Amino acid sequence: QVQLQESGPGLVKPSETLSLTCTVSGYSISSGYYWGWIRQPPGKGLEWIGSIYHSGSTYYNPSLKSRVTISVDTSKNQFSLKLSSVTAADTAVYYCARAAMPRGAFDIWGQGTMVTVSS
Amino acid sequence: SYELTQPLSVSVALGQTARITCGGNNIGSKNVHWYQQKPGQAPVLVIYRDSNRPSGIPERFSGSNSGNTATLTISRAQAGDEADYYCQVWEVFGGGTKLTVL
Repeated sequence: QVQLQESGPGLVKPSETLSLTCTVSGYSISSGYYWGWIRQPPGKGLEWIGSIYHSGSTYYNPSLKSRVTISVDTSKNQFSLKLSSVTAADTAVYYCARAAMPRGAFDIWGQGTMVTVSS
Repeated sequence: SYELTQPLSVSVALGQTARITCGGNNIGSKNVHWYQQKPGQAPVLVIYRDSNRPSGIPERFSGSNSGNTATLTISRAQAGDEADYYCQVWEVFGGGTKLTVL
């Protein structure tokens, strides 16, 4: 079955760039679907970050657009998130997920990875 | 930007019907998706495009959407339904509703 797994540093210093990778197994990214990132600060709700198609077309949350880059590596069946100039407000569990549309429902999610921004 | 409003909490007696609302301007003209999230777990899609259930989701979960309110209905509520529920429209998520089964 399709599985997604996030990976990356659990601790990032303020003003630096947060980098995460999502590895997809059981399905080829090149076959379709949109691949997205969602985050959840501790004790708070979900926030849509953005999504990407295998062609490289990207869709970003307007509130984060200036700091976010999502990219895809079809050869490794992975997609990645970079969030620049992080602050404590970016501390959250970061999830990767799959959707049928650019801003559609996410039907499969990774388990999530906690990222803390602290010096 | 578009906003979605959910009640902070909803309580339901065991075996009864729970209704969780999601309010938004003319939300009835948009596709609404619903997620269930239990503590320490990733969200699970329970309803997509207003009223469609993914495979593996019990028929007890249903959705409707009209006017300015979308509703997730959980029939015959079970203890295992206790969770946070989020609605989504485009890139916007509601604030989430904590469902308590009494």
